Amino acid sequence: DSGVTQTPKHLITATGQRVTLRCSPRSGDLSVYWYQQSLDQGLQFLIQYYNGEERAKGNILERFSAQQFPDLHSELNLSSLELGDSALYFCASSVEGTGNTQYFGPGTRLTVL
Amino acid sequence: GDSVTQMEGPVTLSEEAFLTINCTYTATGYPSLFWYVQYPGEGLQLLLKATKADDKGSNKGFEATYRKETTSFHLEKGSVQVSDSAVYFCALSELSGANNLFFGTGTRLTVIP
Repeated sequence: DSGVTQTPKHLITATGQRVTLRCSPRSGDLSVYWYQQSLDQGLQFLIQYYNGEERAKGNILERFSAQQFPDLHSELNLSSLELGDSALYFCASSVEGTGNTQYFGPGTRLTVL
Repeated sequence: GDSVTQMEGPVTLSEEAFLTINCTYTATGYPSLFWYVQYPGEGLQLLLKATKADDKGSNKGFEATYRKETTSFHLEKGSVQVSDSAVYFCALSELSGANNLFFGTGTRLTVIP
């Protein structure tokens, strides 16, 4: 158990819909990262937050957004969903001074029908 | 830009065989290097890491040495078990700027009794 939690574990929805994925980092970790794992693209970085502020952006679509709240949990919002958004979405957290060691949650499997 | 190249899989070995999974990287700075493991139906678990040149990371019988001269971080284990069957990902993270993880494509290992 990494200490990072994600909900829900599975999500099935239809094209055009909007969903919210939730992540709670390990206790004391200020950084939260979101990654997408798909068969064709592999593991890709989406976005990072540090202590409530956006720190870095990767290959995140404009239809996707995220935020980190004062209690440090984070949410990833996916809107106008397309079939190609079906993937595993992982959250990871890290603490400064550990060489950027990131601990991953169990993931949310999103299926868009 | 930063990238990780991993040995193509899948790899099938008999129990107690020696394992090597090759990983080379390209980085603009001085990255930390990681191996993550993903068991069937689960999230990513940190297996081992090395944060500077010549460091050796080790865990559960697995080892990898950070070789700056050859830009490599090959994963080895002397005697694999059936329970080691999983997908292994090599990854790097720069210590300055955006510190997200860049992942290789993953190598699927199957160990047969």
